[in-house]
Amino acid sequence: DAGVTQSPTHLIKTRGQHVTLRCSPISGHKSVSWYQQVLGQGPQFIFQYYEKEERGRGNFPDRFSARQFPNYSSELNVNALLLGDSALYLCASSTRTGATNEKLFFGSGTQLSVL
Amino acid sequence: RKEVEQDPGPFNVPEGATVAFNCTYSNSASQSFFWYRQDCRKEPKLLMSVYSSGNEDGRFTAQLNRASQYISLLIRDSKLSDSATYLCVVRSDYKLSFGAGTTVTVRA
Repeated sequence: DAGVTQSPTHLIKTRGQHVTLRCSPISGHKSVSWYQQVLGQGPQFIFQYYEKEERGRGNFPDRFSARQFPNYSSELNVNALLLGDSALYLCASSTRTGATNEKLFFGSGTQLSVL
Repeated sequence: RKEVEQDPGPFNVPEGATVAFNCTYSNSASQSFFWYRQDCRKEPKLLMSVYSSGNEDGRFTAQLNRASQYISLLIRDSKLSDSATYLCVVRSDYKLSFGAGTTVTVRA
């Protein structure tokens, strides 16, 4: 079975541009979460979607948005890119949301560089 | 104050040694706890859940102290393949909070 897949794997953008990152969860998983990992830090929570609805949002500006499609895949959009948006963007899927021992499975991430 | 704090290390140990490290968390209402392993700029992978009674998975032992709000991980008989960054993870409702990671390097 395929794991969590993300595309693209690497991306280079310039300040002010817009970017869309894509994620396909593990088959049967209905929850998708997005995390940003800056070099030297742990992943920081951005969004969680379950059954196509936003269930949680981290402390990120409105330039960050996301959505989940009927097939449970997801997109993360970032507008007006800043240099500080350069990071590894991780998508994680799980079977459901909020369960005490819910386990997340991560994709290999999209490395975004903003110049 | 960060939600999850870890000693960044690095812990540089010889093969066969025992290494242990902790993390602390700030939200006393946190519900569940995990250790994830992350190899150089790859995705985090679940190592083990952490239960209040403490639990083992092979050479790995995790402990949780809710009163003091800290979590520990002990690795026995270290292998070269244990070299990685270990992320302490705490769940509060829908959100996972990650520490910055503890780097372990096992040398031959």
